[in-house]
Amino acid sequence: QKEVEQNSGPLSVPEGAIASLNCTYSDRGSQSFFWYRQYSGKSPELIMSIYSNGDKEDGRFTAQLNKASQYVSLLIRDSQPSDSATYLCAAYDTGGFKTIFGAGTRLFVKA
Amino acid sequence: DTAVSQTPKYLVTQMGNDKSIKCEQNLGHDTMYWYKQDSKKFLKIMFSYNNKELIINETVPNRFSPKSPDKAHLNLHINSLELGDSAVYFCASSPQGSEQYFGPGTRLTVT
Repeated sequence: QKEVEQNSGPLSVPEGAIASLNCTYSDRGSQSFFWYRQYSGKSPELIMSIYSNGDKEDGRFTAQLNKASQYVSLLIRDSQPSDSATYLCAAYDTGGFKTIFGAGTRLFVKA
Repeated sequence: DTAVSQTPKYLVTQMGNDKSIKCEQNLGHDTMYWYKQDSKKFLKIMFSYNNKELIINETVPNRFSPKSPDKAHLNLHINSLELGDSAVYFCASSPQGSEQYFGPGTRLTVT
């Protein structure tokens, strides 16, 4: 069974700090990875995608991918209370033609 | 201009009833999905269609029947509703193998 694992949290950080969210995936053949943010009562929205080893930055967000370790992370710099949400890590299962989601990490940013 | 829309947003019904949820996307994507998100917030794929053809049918009771009249629409019909069907159902679309765009969700409550 192909899986994406995340620490469910909650992860609590003070406003202005760096929030670090991590996940691991089991399918070594996965090539595409995504981070989604889901506010309570809302649908998931894509915030980052990453396909190559290394870092990818977009504003306050940096996604990191290490295929050898099967590890994906998301850093949120200068965290804001509005970043408080559940963050879902996802990996695309090429053989199964589907995206596998982790259970999500709840992030709280304290003002 | 809504990218992925679902109706209804809320659905409250009694056990044993039959109900349908409709989904439409105007993004021109070839692939559409139905996901179920339970009370623990785990997002699980149910079905996937590519250009009106069923390509994923996860272990879902056959009381659930998807229908795709064209590649912009994917509907979900549920027969003989059970208490355990209570959840939020999300429709999504994507270019194959890439990021997904979710609809606003349908919160189904079976009493």
